[in-house]
Amino acid sequence: AQKVTQAQTEISVVEKEDVTLDCVYETRDTTYYLFWYKQPPSGELVFLIRRNSFDEQNEISGRYSWNFQKSTSSFNFTITASQVVDSAVYFCATYPQGGSEKLVFGKGTKLTVNP
Amino acid sequence: ETGVTQTPRHLVMGMTNKKSLKCEQHLGHNAMYWYKQSAKKPLELMFVYNFKEQTENNSVPSRFSPECPNSSHLFLHLHTLQPEDSALYLCASSQEGRWGGTYEQYFGPGTRLTVT
Repeated sequence: AQKVTQAQTEISVVEKEDVTLDCVYETRDTTYYLFWYKQPPSGELVFLIRRNSFDEQNEISGRYSWNFQKSTSSFNFTITASQVVDSAVYFCATYPQGGSEKLVFGKGTKLTVNP
Repeated sequence: ETGVTQTPRHLVMGMTNKKSLKCEQHLGHNAMYWYKQSAKKPLELMFVYNFKEQTENNSVPSRFSPECPNSSHLFLHLHTLQPEDSALYLCASSQEGRWGGTYEQYFGPGTRLTVT
């Protein structure tokens, strides 16, 4: 069975600080996908990134970057120079390739960026 | 309208009421989902419809009844709910292949349900 662990329940930083959100996953599948979603106070989950298990290259998108390490089953998310608008709950999720539609979420990390 | 929309955004209902939640996706996707998000538990998948067929019922009580008349619309019919059913109900859609999909899900804003 799949499992996603986000050990950090809540993180609080001051604007312009860098912050890393941890994600550790467990899966028996050899091919799978990993995701990050953002849930602002409005409630809607916003898709941020999908990563294929074959592709361990790190990815950078503006102030966001993701570090995928298969050896440690981790898919960490870093926000550089955080802003107040980054305040949200962030969810990591995994999805097995090949038949199941189940997207398994972690419990989320609540990030608060203070001005 | 774009993306995934849900109505109503807020709903208060008594335990004996019958109500329905509506979800509509404007993305041309072929799979739709209902999730429950409560303070005590992480996101819980409730139902999955793929090509209008229900492919997943995640041990959801019968007081929740889904309906998917076409690939763009999804309903969740509610009756005789309990106070512990109060939660945020999220709808999502994705583009899936018949032999397994790998596509990200796009979520609606949710319906905040309070059962009194």
